[in-house]
Amino acid sequence: KAGVTQTPRYLIKTRGQQVTLSCSPISGHRSVSWYQQTPGQGLQFLFEYFSETQRNKGNFPGRFSGRQFSNSRSEMNVSTLELGDSALYLCASSDQGPDTQYFGPGTRLTVL
Amino acid sequence: AQKITQTQPGMFVQEKEAVTLDCTYDTSDQSYGLFWYKQPSSGEMIFLIYQGSYDEQNATEGRYSLNFQKARKSANLVISASQLGDSAMYFCAMREGRPNQGGKLIFGQGTELSVKP
Repeated sequence: KAGVTQTPRYLIKTRGQQVTLSCSPISGHRSVSWYQQTPGQGLQFLFEYFSETQRNKGNFPGRFSGRQFSNSRSEMNVSTLELGDSALYLCASSDQGPDTQYFGPGTRLTVL
Repeated sequence: AQKITQTQPGMFVQEKEAVTLDCTYDTSDQSYGLFWYKQPSSGEMIFLIYQGSYDEQNATEGRYSLNFQKARKSANLVISASQLGDSAMYFCAMREGRPNQGGKLIFGQGTELSVKP
């Protein structure tokens, strides 16, 4: 099976802009989770979607949002970008049975 | 609150030797899962091994084994016969609650492993 894919891999934006990141899970996986990784805060959970519904949410401001489509693909959106949003954004998918999360290569976002 | 602690920011090991990466966790849940991931410089998180809180035997996956000591709340990763390709960041992570109740993982700060030829 193909692994988790994320697009784009690299992104440069300026403060105040918004950005949309995309994640395609492993075929058959219905859960998609998003994480932010920064040198200062490490890996932090953003949210999880399962069958098009947000099932879990981390402690991030409302500028961070997401959605999941009927084919399990997921997008996350960050509005009004801040310098501190510069990070590696990782998406992971898991199956209903074994819940091991398999990660994609990440999207590296730089906010100038 | 749930927490994962990795006390070794960096470690060196000689090629072909074994190495243990430490991980302690804190949770009040009886049901939880523990994971180890490897992150090379490319950034992708690679799943290595999983241990469920009710599993009586230590998990093993090829050269990786997990030394699970429930009473001490530790879940150390043992890599046998280290290879140059093992050089990477290693993260310990925990999922609270039963499987299939959600995908929130809590991660430790990571240990950077360097394998010397």
